[in-house]
Amino acid sequence: ELKVEQNPLFLSMQEGKNYTIYCNYSTTSDRLYWYRQDPGKSLESLFVLLSNGAVKQEGRLMASLDTKARLSTLHITAAVHDLSATYFCAVVNDYKLSFGAGTTVTVRA
Amino acid sequence: KAGVTQTPRYLIKTRGQQVTLSCSPISGHRSVSWYQQTPGQGLQFLFEYFSETQRNKGNFPGRFSGRQFSNSRSEMNVSTLELGDSALYLCASSFDRDSPNYGYTFGSGTRLTVV
Repeated sequence: ELKVEQNPLFLSMQEGKNYTIYCNYSTTSDRLYWYRQDPGKSLESLFVLLSNGAVKQEGRLMASLDTKARLSTLHITAAVHDLSATYFCAVVNDYKLSFGAGTTVTVRA
Repeated sequence: KAGVTQTPRYLIKTRGQQVTLSCSPISGHRSVSWYQQTPGQGLQFLFEYFSETQRNKGNFPGRFSGRQFSNSRSEMNVSTLELGDSALYLCASSFDRDSPNYGYTFGSGTRLTVV
């Protein structure tokens, strides 16, 4: 069974500093997704990573994928308050998305 | 472009009742999948449908069932509700995996509370 592990599970960030969320998965997959969820809301797609070495950036967020290490990272640059949310990575296999437990991010002044 | 539409947004049901949730995918998406989100178990896969065929099913009891119609709309049904079925139920639609635009878009979810 495909397992997806995220760490840390909780991240208290100081405004202006840089942080990284890690996502490890156990079985080969050709796609990895990052989602954001605000409290009480649905999942918002952030990135789709399709191949080894893929790097995507949007604003203060940058995601990368290393399929050989089965590792993806979500890097946050110069954190700001509106990045406070829960971030999930997910891997697809056999028409099914397997999610990590999520990283709850809180940005403090 | 309309997104994934889930109805109803909120439901309160009594133990033992049954419930039906609906999901209308993005136009052109033929795959619909369902997920249950709870604080304790996180996001768990329920089932996936493509062209009215169930292609995969998660580890849920038989009380959970689903179907997909010819217009790609999908419903899921939970019978004999238990308190533990209280959750946010999310529907996602996508093109098929062979499409270069393969990716999952989630609906706003149905918040089910069982009392």
